[in-house]
Amino acid sequence: QQQVKQSPQSLIVQKGGISIINCAYENTAFDYFPWYQQFPGKGPALLIAIRPDVSEKKEGRFTISFNKSAKQFSLHIMDSQPGDSATYFCAARRRTNQAGTALIFGKGTTLSVSS
Amino acid sequence: DTGVSQNPRHKITKRGQNVTFRCDPISEHNRLYWYRQTLGQGPEFLTYFQNEAQLEKSRLLSDRFSAERPKGSFSTLEIQRTEQGDSAMYLCASSSYRGAQETQYFGPGTRLLVL
Repeated sequence: QQQVKQSPQSLIVQKGGISIINCAYENTAFDYFPWYQQFPGKGPALLIAIRPDVSEKKEGRFTISFNKSAKQFSLHIMDSQPGDSATYFCAARRRTNQAGTALIFGKGTTLSVSS
Repeated sequence: DTGVSQNPRHKITKRGQNVTFRCDPISEHNRLYWYRQTLGQGPEFLTYFQNEAQLEKSRLLSDRFSAERPKGSFSTLEIQRTEQGDSAMYLCASSSYRGAQETQYFGPGTRLLVL
């Protein structure tokens, strides 16, 4: 059972356009929702994160919108640039049985920004 | 470089051989996580340490897998009697717990190919 569903699987956006990636979750016990960016051959790097008591968070060109009642959240990349071409993962943090914090990841979205 | 480091970066082995990977977390980070990432998928949680204590193991971690974190610093992940299905990227992440804002920082990963 996939706990975090991410769409679309791939996305092509023109330079300067808006990239939108969506995620939905099932477990209401999740308490933290980060987005990671991954380039080929590299580990994931934290991009931006949000807690469920906040509906929107913006950092530069990146914005997370969060809808707690719908159990959905999305990443918006404004003024998309070729350097943004990467794979993006949404994730949700769940509490492990010893107060740890394992991340549950979506399957990823491969973004290509054409120049 | 003060980020998470992993060695080796690549490992090719024959089915049935044992392999060991090493992760050096960011200094002062007391939490260390291992994840596995297969092609086209997001990382999947394997196990987690707080200091030297292994506090949770995913059911993905079969008996052939063992992880240690002696002295609460670096960690090793050993796979015994490797199988072709073990081929994946093995990612290590570390964090310093700060309540709800815990951020996991990932290393570059070790890519394993089992022939």
